[in-house]
Amino acid sequence: GESVGLHLPTLSVQEGDNSIINCAYSNSASDYFIWYKQESGKGPQFIIDIRSNMDKRQGQRVTVLLNKTVKHLSLQIAATQPGDSAVYFCAENDAGGTSYGKLTFGQGTILTVHP
Amino acid sequence: GAGVSQTPSNKVTEKGKYVELRCDPISGHTALYWYRQSLGQGPEFLIYFQGTGAADDSGLPNDRFFAVRPEGSVSTLKIQRTERGDSAVYLCASSLLLAGTDTQYFGPGTRLTVL
Repeated sequence: GESVGLHLPTLSVQEGDNSIINCAYSNSASDYFIWYKQESGKGPQFIIDIRSNMDKRQGQRVTVLLNKTVKHLSLQIAATQPGDSAVYFCAENDAGGTSYGKLTFGQGTILTVHP
Repeated sequence: GAGVSQTPSNKVTEKGKYVELRCDPISGHTALYWYRQSLGQGPEFLIYFQGTGAADDSGLPNDRFFAVRPEGSVSTLKIQRTERGDSAVYLCASSLLLAGTDTQYFGPGTRLTVL
């Protein structure tokens, strides 16, 4: 079936560095993508989203890039802080104007930020 | 404001028993979702409600799993004749059900352990 996957399962960075987390998706019909952060013992926390009619979207210290040609999604975190340490998931929604729910998640990338 | 809440936070039961997991969505959110997350994996979709009705229950693994949302707010996930393989974190999310960018907000989850 269709799936969303991550290239790197773990990422270690120094505090203050920029982090890039990558994600590949296979469903070309997906038109809405979301990044979630999950800390130990907590539910996923929304970070940023992007629709398929956009290539880039920026938030506070975060940027999501979408390359539909190669079906690739990335999350960039600027000036990474120890509090950014968590598991990051990308998720896709094949909304297509007809459905809303049923997010398909990737396996996740563990981000560790060293002080 | 209050986020999605789930009770209990932890549930330990014996194989063959019946369990109920409760989700209180964000007030005013029309859509409610249940996901299951196994250790080291991303959440997997189970069922999704629009109001009181199940709009998509394609993720329920078998007929031992059932969910209700009788008044369009609180939802209960019910698992009959629990098996050890049902052990996981059960996550609930809710959203406003907006076309195109339907952000799902997750609760902290219920950790179910079947002995």
